[in-house]
Amino acid sequence: AQSVTQLGSHVSVSEGALVLLRCNYSSSVPPYLFWYVQYPNQGLQLLLKYTTGATLVKGINGFEAEFKKSETSFHLTKPSAHMSDAAEYFCAVRQKRSSNTGKLIFGQGTTLQVKP
Amino acid sequence: GAVVSQHPSRVICKSGTSVKIECRSLDFQATTMFWYRQFPKKSLMLMATSNEGSKATYEQGVEKDKFLINHASLTLSTLTVTSAHPEDSSFYICSASSPGQGDGYSNQPQHFGDGTRLSIL
Repeated sequence: AQSVTQLGSHVSVSEGALVLLRCNYSSSVPPYLFWYVQYPNQGLQLLLKYTTGATLVKGINGFEAEFKKSETSFHLTKPSAHMSDAAEYFCAVRQKRSSNTGKLIFGQGTTLQVKP
Repeated sequence: GAVVSQHPSRVICKSGTSVKIECRSLDFQATTMFWYRQFPKKSLMLMATSNEGSKATYEQGVEKDKFLINHASLTLSTLTVTSAHPEDSSFYICSASSPGQGDGYSNQPQHFGDGTRLSIL
């Protein structure tokens, strides 16, 4: 069965510092991979996704993630944190299968705190 | 981009009341929508997959008679929390995928509504 693990439920960085949020997945076949961000009392907003092609994916708000098959990882990074990046971040996977209805498997989430 | 609208954003009601939450895909047709429940400081828990024109598929442990799902059209799914009690208080979020190419829906992201904060007194 597929699973997603986000290492670190809480990450704190200083404004301007590198952001690194970790995500590892467990799947017999490399799945489709997604990162979502959630601000308080809101739904989830797609940051980026990996389906096929280039393994380094660029998303919105300066975020990017790299799919590493050998490490079964899809870590999210941003070179320089802004105060507005403080939010909850979720990694999610979806199995590649034509009969798939699109069910996502979410990680536990990582709260990003940005200190001035 | 694809937009999903969820209504209402917040509901406060008395115990025993039934509450209906709507989820609409505004600019695409969604044969499948998803309903999640999120507890404070927790991840999203998938409650059920809503299929247009057929019965919803519920996840293990979710009461079908408690959480009624109707997906009568390609742009609307509703979740009704029947006879709600304080333990049903939570943040409920819906999502939908726009149709993909080749691999069905798998390679398309889910688009989420803004959620409904349900508080049962």
